[in-house]
Amino acid sequence: AQKVTQTQTSISVVEKTTVTMDCVYETRDSSYFLFWYKQTASGEIVFLIRQDSYKKENATVGHYSLNFQKPKSSIGLIITATQIEDSAVYFCAMREDMSGSFNKLTFGAGTRLAVCP
Amino acid sequence: DMKVTQMPRYLIKRMGENVLLECGQDMSHETMYWYRQDPGLGLQLIYISYDVDSNSEGDIPKGYRVSRKKREHFSLILDSAKTNQTSVYFCASSLANQAPLFGEGTRLSVL
Repeated sequence: AQKVTQTQTSISVVEKTTVTMDCVYETRDSSYFLFWYKQTASGEIVFLIRQDSYKKENATVGHYSLNFQKPKSSIGLIITATQIEDSAVYFCAMREDMSGSFNKLTFGAGTRLAVCP
Repeated sequence: DMKVTQMPRYLIKRMGENVLLECGQDMSHETMYWYRQDPGLGLQLIYISYDVDSNSEGDIPKGYRVSRKKREHFSLILDSAKTNQTSVYFCASSLANQAPLFGEGTRLSVL
């Protein structure tokens, strides 16, 4: 069964610095998709960035980028030049492509990020 | 405007009452999901629907059932609600291999 683990419960950083949030996953599929979402203080869940397992290049969207280390089953989220508005809970998620659980999206427990002035 | 709409946003029920949570999307997404979120546990999948009348259990289906009679509408039903079903429920929808889009959530309290 697929499993997603985020070991960092909370992180605090100073504004304008870079932060990395860790995520490791377990899967038996050779093809899968990895996603990062952000949940704001209002409860809204927003999609940020994705990485397809067959792509070697790390995905980048705005000031979000990924550190995809396939041999380690790891997908870290990097936020550069953090802003106060980046304070939120960040979730890592995985969807397998080939197994019977097609389209099933499994989430980690989340990492709470606090960006301080 | 691409949006997943959940109704109601807030709901208070007594133990043993039936609960109906509704979710709609106007993007013709085939796949729809119901998740619940509890503190420290992230989002747990209750049910997934691949299209009309094509539903599968997720990780925590016990105590819940779903209905999908139209592609744009996916309902979550709690028959005889229990206090441990107090939670925030999220609906999401997606096209195949796209990142699911989430609704704003329904906060359910079962007293």
